Order: sequence, then structure tokens, then C-alpha cells
Amino acid sequence: QVQLQESGPGLVKPSETLSLNCTVSGGSIISYFWSWIRQSPGKGLEWIGYMYYNKIPIYKSSLKSRLTISIDMSRNQISLQVRSVTAADTAVYFCVRTDGGTGSFDYWGLGTLVTVSS
Amino acid sequence: QSALNQPASVSGSPGQSITISCTATSSDFGTFDFVSWYHQQPGKAPKLLIYEVTKRPSGVSNRFSGSKSGNMASLTISGLQAEDEGDYHCSSLGDSNTSLWVFGGGTKLTVL
Repeated sequence: QVQLQESGPGLVKPSETLSLNCTVSGGSIISYFWSWIRQSPGKGLEWIGYMYYNKIPIYKSSLKSRLTISIDMSRNQISLQVRSVTAADTAVYFCVRTDGGTGSFDYWGLGTLVTVSS
Repeated sequence: QSALNQPASVSGSPGQSITISCTATSSDFGTFDFVSWYHQQPGKAPKLLIYEVTKRPSGVSNRFSGSKSGNMASLTISGLQAEDEGDYHCSSLGDSNTSLWVFGGGTKLTVL
């Protein structure tokens, strides 16, 4: 059974960089797409980007200038960086396995809350 | 405002059936064939219920079914149970120039 676990600081100061890792267990990173999806408090879900292990990441256009998604195959980890954060980036961040063939998100991490505040 | 419109809330009594709609308000979704639905209980991660409009992953109850008519996809839950409460989100592949995937705003289901 594939399991995903997000990790990283729960509090980030405005204008700084939010950095999260997602460790995948019970399966390989290869042959799947991996997305980051976030959910602001009390709001809906927002897809922000994804990556295939040997391809260039694809980002939501409105966030493209501030995002970096990368994969470390040796650690079975997917990483997310969001630069120049503001309060609007406060959200629960989910790491999600993505089925590129069906366009669905089939395995989700538990999510981690990141609050942007001074 | 999402390009996928969902009702904010729906409710039903145990044993009844309810339907949640997901309407595409732009032409960014092509034939709208890659709609998926997710159930999210409070404080938990979403769970995939339906993909490609009508297909159920292994392990998902057949009380959940999906359909589509034109630019509107629907999720029907039959035989409502208390555990069905929570938020339901639709998603679709969208316009790669803006957002490759788009989610609806979510619908809160209350089982009375």
C-alpha cells in the first residue's frame, strides 16, 4: 500500500521560502506523476503543480514564478518550494500521487498545515 | 470563483439518494471526460471516489456513481449513510495554459 508523508516547518515568515518534503513508501516514485495540492483554511482544493520523475515540472501558471518541485529518487522524495510567501499561501499542503492516464489523484498524504505569519 | 461550479451544500436523510452537480463554466475542459470526485471528511485527506466520469476505483462502494451530460458532471450517492457526511470535490483536467487540473469549490453533504 502506497503511503505518502509530508514534512516541513509549520510556520514560515512572510517573504521567506516554504519548503516541504514528501516521502513515498510502499511503492516507487518511478512511473507515476506526483502533484502538490493545497487547501486554504475553509476553502476548496487547489492544484499547484506536478512532476514526473524524469520530466520538467508543470506548475499552475499564476504560481509558476514562485514554485519549484523536484524529485530525489534516491530518497523516494518529492519536494516543494514556494518562494516569497504571503498570508495567502497559508494552507494545508498535500502530496498526491497522480494518475496521468485517468487524470485522477489516487493516493494522498495526510497533509501538513503551513502558516505564513511573522 | 472556480471554473467548475458545485452547490455549496446538499443534505439528505439516511437511506435516501442525493446528487451533487459539477458544471463547467468555460470551454477549457474539452469533452469533459476526465472528471473525478473526492470525499473529504473533516481534518482528513480527500479520497478518490470516481474517475473518468463514471469509473470507481477498487474498494469504493457501488453506492457512489458518476455521470455526465454536456458540461455537467454529477455524483450520485444512494442509500445515504452517516459516514457519507463531509465535503465532496469534483476535479477535471483543464487548460494547460492556466491550470492543468481544476477543482470545484466543494459541496458539503449533511446527513440529517
